[in-house]
Amino acid sequence: EVQLLESGGGLVQPGGSLRLSCAASGFTFISYAMSWVRQAPGKGLEWVSSISTTAGNTYYADSVKGRFTISRDNSKNTLYLQMDTLRAEDTAVYYCAKGGGADFNYWGQGTLVTVSS
Amino acid sequence: EIVMTQSPATLSVSPGERATLSCRASQSVSSNLAWYQQKPGQAPRLLIYDASTRAIGIPARISGSGSATEFTLTISSLQSEDFAVYYCQQYNNWPLTFGGGTKVEI
Repeated sequence: EVQLLESGGGLVQPGGSLRLSCAASGFTFISYAMSWVRQAPGKGLEWVSSISTTAGNTYYADSVKGRFTISRDNSKNTLYLQMDTLRAEDTAVYYCAKGGGADFNYWGQGTLVTVSS
Repeated sequence: EIVMTQSPATLSVSPGERATLSCRASQSVSSNLAWYQQKPGQAPRLLIYDASTRAIGIPARISGSGSATEFTLTISSLQSEDFAVYYCQQYNNWPLTFGGGTKVEI
């Protein structure tokens, strides 16, 4: 059974940093691109970033480019999102999703990031 | 950036009725389109990929059609568990983009 478990969310002040993690199990992690998708409270889905299998290629939404960094550790079956210079508009539930450059066939339950003073 | 537009924003239907949801792309995405269902407090679930292929475990009453810029998700006979928000997503070009969603309510 595919499982994606996000962690690392919380309350952070504007301008601060946070690192999200996603522990994957139930599939061959190294064989799949992975992504982060977020959802602001009461709003729709927004793709944030994707990373290829060996991390050779990364992609970002314009809204986070230069502030967020996606990475992965294939030896630990874990996906990361380093979020710097956070803004109020980054407040959202962040989902880890299996896939990138295609559909997202499995999603984690999400971790809430709140940016507020 | 490819803009995905879903209509209607809200669809009011009764159990047993047919629901037709639309998704339009601002430029051709070929058949590189997926549909997701999201219920309150839950993560999205993949329903359809490649415009018309049902994901694992998705019942036959849910179907997708279309190509290029016009796509449709059809639920042939609504069940209580189908009342939710539905999103389309294109993966033909970066950045990947979602539609704004259609809420299917009673």
